Amino acid sequence: DTAVSQTPKYLVTQMGNDKSIKCEQNLGHDTMYWYKQDSKKFLKIMFSYNNKELIINETVPNRFSPKSPDKAHLNLHINSLELGDSAVYFCASSQDPGMMDTGELFFGEGSRLTVL
Amino acid sequence: QKEVEQDPGPLSVPEGAIVSLNCTYSNSAFQYFMWYRQYSRKGPELLMYTYSSGNKEDGRFTAQVDKSSKYISLFIRDSQPSDSATYLCGAGSYQLTFGKGTKLSVIP
Repeated sequence: DTAVSQTPKYLVTQMGNDKSIKCEQNLGHDTMYWYKQDSKKFLKIMFSYNNKELIINETVPNRFSPKSPDKAHLNLHINSLELGDSAVYFCASSQDPGMMDTGELFFGEGSRLTVL
Repeated sequence: QKEVEQDPGPLSVPEGAIVSLNCTYSNSAFQYFMWYRQYSRKGPELLMYTYSSGNKEDGRFTAQVDKSSKYISLFIRDSQPSDSATYLCGAGSYQLTFGKGTKLSVIP
């Protein structure tokens, strides 16, 4: 039973298209995240939601729009895709928004986006 | 200067070797330090977590933090081929900042 699941796992699309990635967690956590990992494995936070409320919004183009319909789901919509958006996008969840507890983030397996 | 710096490697060692992975950080406010392991085509998973200077041991893994020099290390004893993965160090006070990851290969 997968704790954090993302769909789709692979996405190949043309520049200029719009695409969405969905994430669901069954851990009962209050906080969910989107991370971007580039080709050099650098993992950088994009957004964080706590109980459906946006709490972290890093410097990300406004073509990226997260949406949390409930605390178990966090989706990422990307408009007007560019070549530089090619990366692996990871969804993650944690019990708390900060590091105060174990600091453990539970990651999904990633969604590999390729923009042609 | 990035907040968390990590040598990306790659690092290749023979089975049974002791592995040392290192990171430095620049933000004195960071209180929490951790290591994540990421196998190929998988998400990162937490390996070690600590919030104080000193050593923390878990089986073959030892995490070491020196807050005075802002240095984070992970030691792996008796390395195994199954340890082959990318290791990401992380540090933060509220939000976690990751290093670039070091790719480790343990050769049988």
